[in-house]
Amino acid sequence: DIQMTQSPSSLSASVGDRVTITCRASQSISSYLNWYQQKPGKAPKLLIYAASSLQSGVPSRFSGSGSGTDFTLTISSLQPEDFATYYCQQSYSTPAITFGQGTRLEIK
Amino acid sequence: QVQLQQWGAGLLKPSETLSLTCAVYGGSFSGYYWSWIRQPPGKGLEWIGEINHSGSTNYNPSLKSRVTISVDTSKNQFSLKLSSVTAADTAVYYCARRGGTMVRGVIEQYYYYYMDVWGKGTTVTVSS
Repeated sequence: DIQMTQSPSSLSASVGDRVTITCRASQSISSYLNWYQQKPGKAPKLLIYAASSLQSGVPSRFSGSGSGTDFTLTISSLQPEDFATYYCQQSYSTPAITFGQGTRLEIK
Repeated sequence: QVQLQQWGAGLLKPSETLSLTCAVYGGSFSGYYWSWIRQPPGKGLEWIGEINHSGSTNYNPSLKSRVTISVDTSKNQFSLKLSSVTAADTAVYYCARRGGTMVRGVIEQYYYYYMDVWGKGTTVTVSS
């Protein structure tokens, strides 16, 4: 299995802050990396696919970068609705996908 | 706008079989793989398995011995059965569509897959 490790596990930030979340794969996965946002009691929502492609309808303040084993999700200016848990997911070994453990983004 | 509606029993006793169904509305059923993913309370996401309209399946090796995913193309539905459940199977279970994008490279084509449509989730609790 390809293991995905996110850091930090939790993060406190303020509205307007720039925030970066990191995801590391246990082996090279090229650009086969997706990011999801999950709010309490809701299903995950796809934000970024192929490491840096913005899913339709997702605000442009979200961006992704990286390739190989190291990836980042950046929110350029936090909005109140962005406080949620974020997951990375590798699709390199599709169908056997795996997710990171999540990063909880909280209001400071 | 594709929507997934899921349902099934929410309370099971140990050793019973979990059974969930997901219906696909408003879009193509063929041409995609349809997945089940679960999330234990306070924990991360685990892929369980998937099926396409032809009935071709892929399962997580860690659950394969207990999982059966089936499809009913006449109703645009797919189902999950998980046998011999224990408390460790307590989770929110989601159905989801595996979407994808093809990118043409210089020599090859590259397919980037992702879960782009999700059901709302069904909470399943296993307790004696």
